Order: sequence, then C-alpha cells, then structure tokens
Amino acid sequence: GQNIDQPTEMTATEGAIVQINCTYQTSGFNGLFWYQQHAGEAPTFLSYNVLDGLEEKGRFSSFLSRSKGYSYLLLKELQMKDSASYLCAVSDSNYQLIWGAGTKLIIKP
Amino acid sequence: GAVVSQHPSWVICKSGTSVKIECRSLDFQATTMFWYRQFPKQSLMLMATSNEGSKATYEQGVEKDKFLINHASLTLSTLTVTSAHPEDSSFYICSAPRVGTDNNEQFFGPGTRLTVL
Repeated sequence: GQNIDQPTEMTATEGAIVQINCTYQTSGFNGLFWYQQHAGEAPTFLSYNVLDGLEEKGRFSSFLSRSKGYSYLLLKELQMKDSASYLCAVSDSNYQLIWGAGTKLIIKP
Repeated sequence: GAVVSQHPSWVICKSGTSVKIECRSLDFQATTMFWYRQFPKQSLMLMATSNEGSKATYEQGVEKDKFLINHASLTLSTLTVTSAHPEDSSFYICSAPRVGTDNNEQFFGPGTRLTVL
C-alpha cells in the first residue's frame, strides 16, 4: 500500500531551527511537496523536490533522498507565525497526491 | 500566480437540503480538479477527481450519488452535497494542477466550511 509518515506534533522555540521529517512508500514517484496549513485555511505551497538534494528557499529548505524514501523540511529563524501544520505529499505514478497526516508545529516564545 | 477560487467560503444549511460548492481556476484551464474533505485536526482526504467532459472518479467509500460532481468547463467544477446531514459538516477544498508547470504543482482553493444543522 501507499504510506506517508510524519510526526504528529513538534514544539520549537522562536528563533530556533526545526526539521520535520517525512518518509514515504508509494507506487511510483513524481515528486514530493511540502505544504503549510494554518487552522481553518487551505494549504499553501512551500516546496517541491523531484531530484535528490536540498532545495533552499529563504528560511525554508527541503531535502529529498529517493533511495531512502525520505524527505525533510527545515525551518530556520522560527517565527511565531510559523505555527501551523506542515503537510508532506507525494505525487504518485498517476500524478495523484498522497498526503501525510501532517505535523503540527508549535512555536514557543 | 495561478489562483483557484471557491464559492461560498462558508455555508450553514438545514439537514436534508443540498449545497453546491463551486471551484474555479481563474487564470488557467484545468482539465482535472480534485475535491478534498478535511475534518477537524485531520489531514486532507481525497474525495474524488473531477474530469472535464467526463464522469468524476470517486475514492473508495465516497458515495457518488451523495456528492455530485460536475466539471462542465475547463475552469469550473462543482461539488453538490445532496441531502446533507450533520456528519457532512466539514471543510471542503478543491485543487487544480496547472498543466505545463515544471513541478505539477496543484493550486488550492481557499476552502468551503460547511455546517449542517
């Protein structure tokens, strides 16, 4: 079957760095997405990885290892507004998104 | 950037009534759109894939006669919740992939919060 695993909840301190991991097992792979979702709102796109390596975009970076079925989202210089759920999603062989359950990130002052 | 809109943003209805939710791609054509449902504190759950000019494809466990999907044009898909009941209360979100983008990115609508009394 298809499976996406990510931690349910993480807590970090304002100004610090946090890494949210995602492991996946899917039928085919056409890229991995990270989305941010604030409570009561639709997800917003953060990053896309289809090749191995690190993609950096401002305070956010995303890493992919296809051989390990593993990705992480790295958030630097954490701000209170970064408190949200972070969703990992894999595009399978049919280009359909398979979603993880999301990681709730709590930022403390 | 690409924008997907949904209407209405929120709706409250009585049990037994039907509710129509619209999803529009504003600056690109979408032959495919996806409809998701999200219950509180849970992840997105794909309900169905809406295909322009043909029947929608429903995920296992989703009643096609209850959740009617019509993708009448390349920019509009509608989801109608028929004979809504309180257990249908949820956050409904549509998304559309923009063909030709390098990353097959899907653009999400802002969502529709449905409350059935």
